[in-house]
Amino acid sequence: GESVGLHLPTLSVQEGDNSIINCAYSNSASDYFIWYKQESGKGPQFIIDIRSNMDKRQGQRVTVLLNKTVKHLSLQIAATQPGDSAVYFCAENPDSGTYKYIFGTGTRLKVLA
Amino acid sequence: DVKVTQSSRYLVKRTGEKVFLECVQDMDHENMFWYRQDPGLGLRLIYFSYDVKMKEKGDIPEGYSVSREKKERFSLILESASTNQTSMYLCASSDFGRGGTDTQYFGPGTRLTVL
Repeated sequence: GESVGLHLPTLSVQEGDNSIINCAYSNSASDYFIWYKQESGKGPQFIIDIRSNMDKRQGQRVTVLLNKTVKHLSLQIAATQPGDSAVYFCAENPDSGTYKYIFGTGTRLKVLA
Repeated sequence: DVKVTQSSRYLVKRTGEKVFLECVQDMDHENMFWYRQDPGLGLRLIYFSYDVKMKEKGDIPEGYSVSREKKERFSLILESASTNQTSMYLCASSDFGRGGTDTQYFGPGTRLTVL
């Protein structure tokens, strides 16, 4: 089916290398952030989240870094695998404790064999 | 694991038809959402429901309505489909988590084409 990310920035990474995907968020009041992974033809899948009182959080093979000074979020994927190929986008919660999110448009990650 | 299902993966409808998109979640979540996703744009919220029979308009409610008769089910209705409603529709659910976070979990999406 048609990709939801026809005009997305693309990051191409060799299998086994580390990937870094960046996101500039918009609202300095945002205090909760999520990274989602969306494979072609599927819905977004939760990867990892971080609160604004932290600057780093680690999961399995993934690390999220938060720089509130410059309103920047990054997702690091260690030892990138073919199954990591997808669109990754961030979401920020600018209204603490509510359902309101601002979603980024995403970055396409291509893993080269 | 949270499971959110949507009734159709692909739908093709004609202009003027009434279209129903169904979403079911199995985690007893209070909140349910309908978004649309278009190339080059982030997810845009159409409608939100925080309880049975309760709903709130999102950012782009025009041309849509919703129904939530049961906690686990949230329906999106296009009263008279138009070509500009061709899109990927995503349903999500969430529960108000500890610490005030409200992580949303998504269904697989319904790709709707209106001819």
